[in-house]
Amino acid sequence: DADVTQTPRNRITKTGKRIMLECSQTKGHDRMYWYRQDPGLGLRLIYYSFDVKDINKGEISDGYSVSRQAQAKFSLSLESAIPNQTALYFCATSDLAGAVTGELFFGEGSRLTVL
Amino acid sequence: AQRVTQPEKLLSVFKGAPVELKCNYSYSGSPELFWYVQYSRQRLQLLLRHISRESIKGFTADLNKGETSFHLKKPFAQEEDSAMYYCALSGLWGSGNTGKLIFGQGTTLQVKP
Repeated sequence: DADVTQTPRNRITKTGKRIMLECSQTKGHDRMYWYRQDPGLGLRLIYYSFDVKDINKGEISDGYSVSRQAQAKFSLSLESAIPNQTALYFCATSDLAGAVTGELFFGEGSRLTVL
Repeated sequence: AQRVTQPEKLLSVFKGAPVELKCNYSYSGSPELFWYVQYSRQRLQLLLRHISRESIKGFTADLNKGETSFHLKKPFAQEEDSAMYYCALSGLWGSGNTGKLIFGQGTTLQVKP
């Protein structure tokens, strides 16, 4: 199921570098999300977007920014990466029905390591 | 504050044994609760939601508002149940929190042969 695609899948970078993680979807969903997964902390919401003109901060938005270039694309940027941003990042989508039922569709994840 | 707590990082059982994955929540209102599962090398996916009162792959979960819990249960574990399980919470439709899932820390279920 390649409906939600994340690139890159793996990235190693250095402290202070700018990194962009991209997410594209072919499900036609309006809602898109970025989560990060850390061992022992589960998934935490970074940013979410309910449509192209609606972007909202999640629990842990500091140090991150996003861009919703189109309905199908939602990018996450780390302007100046730091080691504690090393994590597995997930993009997810949902439509209005999904928002009611709670079903998010996830990408495969982007593993980021900041040295 | 909205919070989901899964107290066990790892739950290890033998095949055929009963399983209970614990989930407690904190929410100022009436939440909707869900269980998501991530099998090895697969994407995170919805397993079940409390509002549907369904049984999926033999798993059930009952929302206990008095204890603010939503434990996931299965009477007889199978090896293919081995995975990471996440409990998640969302606000009810119209609450302003709909579609924004808050996840717990996750529990790894290991079913031994």
